[in-house]
Amino acid sequence: DTAVSQTPKYLVTQMGNDKSIKCEQNLGHDTMYWYKQDSKKFLKIMFSYNNKELIINETVPNRFSPKSPDKAHLNLHINSLELGDSAVYFCASSQTGQGANVLTFGAGSRLTVL
Amino acid sequence: DAKTTQPPSMDCAEGRAANLPCNHSTISGNEYVYWYRQIHSQGPQYIIHGLKNNETNEMASLIITEDRKSSTLILPHATLRDTAVYYCIVRVVQGAQKLVFGQGTRLTINP
Repeated sequence: DTAVSQTPKYLVTQMGNDKSIKCEQNLGHDTMYWYKQDSKKFLKIMFSYNNKELIINETVPNRFSPKSPDKAHLNLHINSLELGDSAVYFCASSQTGQGANVLTFGAGSRLTVL
Repeated sequence: DAKTTQPPSMDCAEGRAANLPCNHSTISGNEYVYWYRQIHSQGPQYIIHGLKNNETNEMASLIITEDRKSSTLILPHATLRDTAVYYCIVRVVQGAQKLVFGQGTRLTINP
């Protein structure tokens, strides 16, 4: 199936730990994103990569480090996890430069920090 | 990006048309109106977009007023599976999509 897939779907961890969320898209898109949805359900962009190059970096603590080994993958590594990092993280992709440039989102990764 | 205003919640009977309004009075000439929805516990899903002409696809219709200051998303025959939060977003089509999701409209389809 063509899609944006994220792993893991659920992640429960202790404060201070380091964790990663992986994202892969097989849609052939050139741009990938990480969005965060907090407990109040607001969805906000964190990062965006275009062809492995960081192009959007919102005001996110530097404990969050995205990595894009190729244009089909965008991983999110979080160091020294804090309680406030608990949220659902959504990966997305789009094809810029042509057409509607709509985002296709993954199913989300729910991170719970205890 | 222009700001959008949507009612926080709406109800609609199953089988009827659901009409979701959105105000975007500060929209610029090159900004499109996009609609996404988020069904509970899922990722947002693209529905439809338009610039100034009315648009229709297999999911919905989008009606944009002539002055482009408001629009209406129409789900012609709502089903229970259409219960979701619907987001109206105004954005240029070029470049990385730094979408600004507001509170959206929580649409509940009642049997």
